[in-house]
Amino acid sequence: GAVVSQHPSWVICKSGTSVKIECRSLDFQATTMFWYRQFPKQSLMLMATSNEGSKATYEQGVEKDKFLINHASLTLSTLTVTSAHPEDSSFYICSAALTQRVNTEAFFGQGTRLTVV
Amino acid sequence: TQLLEQSPQFLSIQEGENLTVYCNSSSVFSSLQWYRQEPGEGPVLLVTVVTGGEVKKLKRLTFQFGDARKDSSLHITAAQPGDTGLYLCAGAPKRSGYALNFGKGTSLLVTP
Repeated sequence: GAVVSQHPSWVICKSGTSVKIECRSLDFQATTMFWYRQFPKQSLMLMATSNEGSKATYEQGVEKDKFLINHASLTLSTLTVTSAHPEDSSFYICSAALTQRVNTEAFFGQGTRLTVV
Repeated sequence: TQLLEQSPQFLSIQEGENLTVYCNSSSVFSSLQWYRQEPGEGPVLLVTVVTGGEVKKLKRLTFQFGDARKDSSLHITAAQPGDTGLYLCAGAPKRSGYALNFGKGTSLLVTP
């Protein structure tokens, strides 16, 4: 399967600082990437759709000024959590869609554990 | 709004037992995916079902897509402790691009 790499795997930051998370598709080009958030013992919640070369599309209730998404190339999308607060602590996961023949499948990064202290 | 209703949410069984996890929706999906997630890791794709009525087998796991493409099931035969994990169904409703909606997941624990 296709490989999506996410970095860092975990990060601890002080309240009020910003944190950048990178998501790279290693062996394919992804015009669209997706960012999810997962709280303990819960499922993945879609935050936003990242479109290469254009603005991201955010889900209802997700603050676009707080969660900045940049998709500058076909293999890289970044999520920046600005002015992080303890309630932003969560597991953030990206995915990239790959269309092969008639099926489109999503491949996920390994996730980033963010802890804001 | 939860597009995909997954049940049961938690399941604890003994090694050797069989189990079925259900994923239901009122929406039609062009395809549904099943993922398995280990703690602290991203989900790993198990299977994609595309055709209504389709049945796919992956060793002891059997996946079925409903005829109307609104539901799917995952059946595990003779569960083993290595099957323990969070099982997630996901799908992109038709004409919604490929932003996946996930079910709430089924946390499976298989004890020896």
